Amino acid sequence: DIVLTQSPGSLSLSPGERATLSCRASQSVTSSYIAWYQQKPGQAPRLLIFGASSRATGIPDRFSGSESGTDFTLTISRLEPEDFAVYYCQQYGSSPETFGQGTKVDIK
Amino acid sequence: VQLVQSGPEVKKPGSSVKVSCKASGGSISNSAIGWLRQAPGQGLEWVGGILPIFGTTKYAEKLQGRVTITTDDSTSTVYMDLSSLTSDDTAIYYCARGNDYDHLTGRLGWFAPWGQGTLVTVSS
Repeated sequence: DIVLTQSPGSLSLSPGERATLSCRASQSVTSSYIAWYQQKPGQAPRLLIFGASSRATGIPDRFSGSESGTDFTLTISRLEPEDFAVYYCQQYGSSPETFGQGTKVDIK
Repeated sequence: VQLVQSGPEVKKPGSSVKVSCKASGGSISNSAIGWLRQAPGQGLEWVGGILPIFGTTKYAEKLQGRVTITTDDSTSTVYMDLSSLTSDDTAIYYCARGNDYDHLTGRLGWFAPWGQGTLVTVSS
């Protein structure tokens, strides 16, 4: 199975700041098949990005995804109060689909 | 399509649980549906999935033999049955539609939308 390692484990930032979240795969991910999800307490995860860099419907353009080899990045350009949450990456290039352990973005 | 799951369950160790996931506003027959779980304070774990149009299922290796996913096309409902429960199975179970699936490998793709989640508590 492909192991995804997210870093950092947590990030303390202020509204308006830029957040950079990393996800490293243990091996090559077929066709950049990486997705990113946001999860708030008591809620199901919400899809943000698929295909490493394509925003899902309704997702603001302050969220962007990029890749470099087996390293994938989710960037939130300017944090809004509603963006403080836990973020997960997922690979779906091979079965079984696997997830990173999550990065918590909290208010500084 | 929206996915609506059944309510919370409390089960004894060694028993079984069946969680339902009903699609409203669309059919599941040409969709891929995955089940995922999240133990308290933990991350997301893939449990398994089904491709109804191909009649294929795939399960997490660690749960093989204990988990069964089925569908009822007449009610657009997917079921996840988990047997021989232990405290390690205590988690929120989510169903979600898999997009970009591959029926040859059983890969489901990225997940959206998600059901609201069903808390399964295993306790004596």
